[in-house]
Amino acid sequence: DAGVIQSPRHEVTEMGQEVTLRCKPISGHDYLFWYRQTMMRGLELLIYFNNNVPIDDSGMPEDRFSAKMPNASFSTLKIQPSEPRDSAVYFCASSFSDRVYTDTQYFGPGTRLTVL
Amino acid sequence: GNSVTQMEGPVTLSEEAFLTINCTYTATGYPSLFWYVQYPGEGLQLLLKATKADDKGSNKGFEATYRKETTSFHLEKGSVQVSDSAVYFCALSENSGGYQKVTFGTGTKLQVIP
Repeated sequence: DAGVIQSPRHEVTEMGQEVTLRCKPISGHDYLFWYRQTMMRGLELLIYFNNNVPIDDSGMPEDRFSAKMPNASFSTLKIQPSEPRDSAVYFCASSFSDRVYTDTQYFGPGTRLTVL
Repeated sequence: GNSVTQMEGPVTLSEEAFLTINCTYTATGYPSLFWYVQYPGEGLQLLLKATKADDKGSNKGFEATYRKETTSFHLEKGSVQVSDSAVYFCALSENSGGYQKVTFGTGTKLQVIP
């Protein structure tokens, strides 16, 4: 398997622009997670999905952020409008979990977002 | 709620030194415990895990034992190498209300000098 795929790897945009980050999870995985990592705040869980349904979006910083998972093989994280404080590395991760045990998360390489 | 507490970094060691990175947790049930490693410019990857009390996870010379009585999962390695320089994250995962709930620590940066 190719692992978790994220695109783009780097994104530079200007304040006020819309940004869309994309993620393809590992085939067969039923969980998908979006994280944000900065020096100041460390690794933050933004939202996660189970079987394409959002389960917990309490980590989404504000209404400018939205995430969708239209099918099992694709998810997007959108920021509209973007602000300089959104500059960070955004990671997508996926995992498989049966009803008893929770399993390893597999992380993508991340998207480094810079908002000027 | 659940939480994971790791020792503050950065940790700087000489090559071949002994490593310990402390991790303690609080959880409502019986979590699985993980150590992830993040090398510069990369995403996190699993280093080792343990799914029940007294289990020992091990990989690449690293070890950690799930201690329920002390709610700890300390990471150890007998002889570190320069290539071990990275950020290490302790994490727990628990099945809560039918869904997977994951909590990460803040990460501990390790720098190994030749």
